[in-house]
Order: sequence, then structure tokens, then C-alpha cells
Amino acid sequence: AQRVTQPEKLLSVFKGAPVELKCNYSYSGSPELFWYVQYSRQRLQLLLRHISRESIKGFTADLNKGETSFHLKKPFAQEEDSAMYYCALSGSGNTGKLIFGQGTTLQVKP
Amino acid sequence: GAVVSQHPSRVICKSGTSVKIECRSLDFQATTMFWYRQFPKKSLMLMATSNEGSKATYEQGVEKDKFLINHASLTLSTLTVTSAHPEDSSFYICSGREPPRDEQYFGPGTRLTVT
Repeated sequence: AQRVTQPEKLLSVFKGAPVELKCNYSYSGSPELFWYVQYSRQRLQLLLRHISRESIKGFTADLNKGETSFHLKKPFAQEEDSAMYYCALSGSGNTGKLIFGQGTTLQVKP
Repeated sequence: GAVVSQHPSRVICKSGTSVKIECRSLDFQATTMFWYRQFPKKSLMLMATSNEGSKATYEQGVEKDKFLINHASLTLSTLTVTSAHPEDSSFYICSGREPPRDEQYFGPGTRLTVT
């Protein structure tokens, strides 16, 4: 079955600390993985996708097929990073359908 | 970036009535739109995929006769919740897929409350 798991509901760190938001997936083919972010009172927006291999707002994520993981990392958290983060998977076939994880709330304390 | 709007942002209706939610891509043509449902403090659950000019594809467990989807043009998809019940109360979010990167842009969501 296709599934995305984000084990942490809430991650609380201090400003300047490293951040790692965990994401594991289950998919039989070759998925495309995404991280979406939702800031307070704003709509969901794309943060990054694994095929782009880019760093956005200091965040990076590497697809590890062996561990079926796509963890989101940032070396030094900022207060403005506080938001809800969703890991999502899109399967093969170019349907565009997204399967979302449960989401992790990142709270960066001053 | 591309913008997707939803209307209304909030709606309250009585049990048994129907309510229509509109999803519009404002500055791009969305060949595909998606409808999601989000329960409080839960993830987004894909309800259906809407393709312009064809019937929507519903996910398993989603009643197509209850959640009517129409994708009349490349910039408009509508979700009609028919004979609404209190358990249909939820946050409904749409997204539009923009070629060629096929990136999805999300609407702000519609809060439906059925009394």
C-alpha cells in the first residue's frame, strides 16, 4: 500500500539549532517525493521536490531509497520556519495524485 | 507564482441541503484539479481528481453521488456536497496542476459546517 509516515506530530527546537523532520514512505515503484509547508493562516505551498535537488530557505531533503526516507533538514532553524510541514508522495504514471503524511508542526523558539 | 482561489471560504448549511464550492486557477490553465478533505489536526486526504472535459476520478471510499465534481473549463472546477450531513463538516481544499512542471498550487480551503 502507498503510505507516507511522519512519526512526529510536533518538533520543538530553539532558534539556531539543527532541524530534521522525518518522513518515511511505502511505495512499490519509483515515487516522487515532496515537502509542503503551511505557515499560520496561509495556504499549503511547495517547499521542495526531490527531483529538483535544490535547497529552499536553507532546507534540503535527500531521497534514500534504501531506507525509503525523505527527511527534511536545516542546519540552523529560524523562528520564521515555524509552520506545519507535510511530506507527500506522487506515484508513477504522472497522475499528479499526492499522498500526504500526517504532518509535523515545527515550533522554533527564540 | 500561480494562484488558485476557492469560494466561499466559509459556508454553513443545514442538513439535507446541497452546497457548491468553486475552485479557480487565476493565472494559469489547470488541466487537472484535485480535491482534498482535511479533518482537524489530520492530514489531507485526496477525494478525487478532476480533469477538464471528463468525469472525475474518485478515490476509494469517496461517494461520487454525494460529492459531485464538475470541471467545466481549464480554470474552474466545482465540488457540490449533496444532501449534506453534519459528518460532512470539514475543510475542503483544491489544487490545480500547472504544466509543464506539473507543480500543484493549492487553494486557501473552504470550511464547511453542516448544522
